Amino acid sequence: LAKTTQPISMDSYEGQEVNITCSHNNIATNDYITWYQQFPSQGPRFIIQGYKTKVTNEVASLFIPADRKSSTLSLPRVSLSDTAVYYCLVGLSGNTPLVFGKGTRLSVIA
Amino acid sequence: EAGVAQSPRYKIIEKRQSVAFWCNPISGHATLYWYQQILGQGPKLLIQFQNNGVVDDSQLPKDRFSAERLKGVDSTLKIQPAKLEDSAVYLCASSLVGQFAEAFFGQGTRLTVV
Repeated sequence: LAKTTQPISMDSYEGQEVNITCSHNNIATNDYITWYQQFPSQGPRFIIQGYKTKVTNEVASLFIPADRKSSTLSLPRVSLSDTAVYYCLVGLSGNTPLVFGKGTRLSVIA
Repeated sequence: EAGVAQSPRYKIIEKRQSVAFWCNPISGHATLYWYQQILGQGPKLLIQFQNNGVVDDSQLPKDRFSAERLKGVDSTLKIQPAKLEDSAVYLCASSLVGQFAEAFFGQGTRLTVV
């Protein structure tokens, strides 16, 4: 399984764009990159998934460079309700176990 | 659609007692996961099922933890006997099988061992 590295924590003010980068140097050819969000006292929630280049949905954008050794989750104009832990996962092809790392704790300040 | 259902939501037991958690996945989801999340840490995968079969249970402490998924639908996770360090939230998740599958998580069961 590809190991992922992300910052332990980040702070941001409301209304700013937040970029969280994840490093995954030994990603396999068939691996996808997936991000989950977890609020306190809740299970993680799927945010976005991608394989290469850029993916955008109503919640976030995911940027993946050509070498796919890293990825960046971009949250536009964050609000207090975006305060959560964000996890980067690599794999999810076929029966790859869904393995979480430590995640990035994002704190949004008014 | 209905989400992943887990019960109970909270459980307090004494060490050396046994406990069981129940999970009902989303209808049609062949893959089911059990996770243990200790406060301040990311979820740790305990076991992954696909239908009735076990895909991965490498991190399941098999001397005290057991899990089963009868008929490829509901699942139960049991701890016997419980230790103080088993205090955690136990999360169940399910997904379709495939490369684009996203996992849906239940609310979890918060276990406190005293």
